This record gives sequence, C-alpha cells and structure tokens, in this order.
Amino acid sequence: DTAVSQTPKYLVTQMGNDKSIKCEQNLGHDTMYWYKQDSKKFLKIMFSYNNKELIINETVPNRFSPKSPDKAHLNLHINSLELGDSAVYFCASSQDPGDTQYFGPGTRLTVL
Amino acid sequence: DAKTTQPPSMDCAEGRAANLPCNHSTISGNEYVYWYRQIHSQGPQYIIHGLKNNETNEMASLIITEDRKSSTLILPHATLRDTAVYYCIVRGTGGSYIPTFGRGTSLIVHP
Repeated sequence: DTAVSQTPKYLVTQMGNDKSIKCEQNLGHDTMYWYKQDSKKFLKIMFSYNNKELIINETVPNRFSPKSPDKAHLNLHINSLELGDSAVYFCASSQDPGDTQYFGPGTRLTVL
Repeated sequence: DAKTTQPPSMDCAEGRAANLPCNHSTISGNEYVYWYRQIHSQGPQYIIHGLKNNETNEMASLIITEDRKSSTLILPHATLRDTAVYYCIVRGTGGSYIPTFGRGTSLIVHP
C-alpha cells in the first residue's frame, strides 16, 4: 500500500481555471504538508496542517486554499490558475511537526 | 533554524563509497541533522537523521562531528540507483519549525 498518495499525477489546464489536487496518507500521522517544486528544482513549503489545523502558511497567494477534511487527507485547491503555478506539487506527512517526513509521488501541474 | 551548505555536485564510481558533506555551523543544541534524497521526478525520500551520535541504517551512515558543525552522509557501496539529489537539513521540532530544503548535492554514480 502506498503510504502517501496524490491524485492526479499529471494535470494540464488552461489559465484562469480552478483545479484541485488530493492527498491521502495511511500512516496514521497527525501532520501533513504541501510543497511546491518549480523548474529550478527548489522545494518550498507552502502549508502544513497538524490535527486538521493550519500551522504553516508560507506567503502563498490566497488563490491557493488547502483543506483538511480529516487527519488523513490534505487537499489543495487552486483558483484562477496562472502560468507561474506550473510546477510539481508534493504532499508529505509526519507523525508530529518536525518529525521525519514521508512524501507522495508528486503532481505535475502544467498551466497553458 | 540553521542553514546548511552542500557542494552542488559530486560523482562516484559504482561500488565505491560515496561521502557527501554538509556544513551546518549555526546548528543549535536541540536541532537534528536530517538527510533526504530525491531521485529524478520522484518525491523526496528520507534516508537518516541524527542529533549527536553517529547513526547507521540499511541505507547509509551519518557521521556528525563532535562540535556538530558538519556532518557526512556515507553510502558505503554506491549503485547506479543512488544517483539523486541529496538534501541535508537541520531541523528543530514543534509547530514553529519551517522545513527548508536547499539546493542539495547532485550525486552521479557512474559505472
């Protein structure tokens, strides 16, 4: 069983559209994260939730809205997509904030 | 949180040990040294972590200097599948910790 899974794996869409990426972890962890990795390969934290509460929000445009329906899921909704949103988005989880993180396979988003 | 410095790239012959250095001169007493790697297009993978003592697991060994200002990740018998970007991260604990990945070291293992 995949520990941290993301759907979809690839997402191609037009500018201005709204899209969502889903993440699920079956590790029983309390903390989940979203990272963005751009074309320069920098891996940057976007959000982190602990027990369904937002604990990290790193200067991300408010077009990005994470939602955590339960501790096992952290979804990322993006409104009014822009060209600069093209990147690979990784979800991760850890038992507690600061613990070892386990990453999903990534979602490659391409905005045309 | 302490920042880290790693060489941008290294190479290693298959079957030989790969020694990847990391400087973290501003590390504080309660911060751990973590290593992850990212194989092309995949999600980062946890390798090993330590606080003061040297650590070993099935993937690698971590050597931390006595003053804790630097560390070395050792892959004892590198294979082609170890070709990846290796990230050294110093991390505290708790909700105030902001995970920060730098550029890492691109390790190429050649035949």
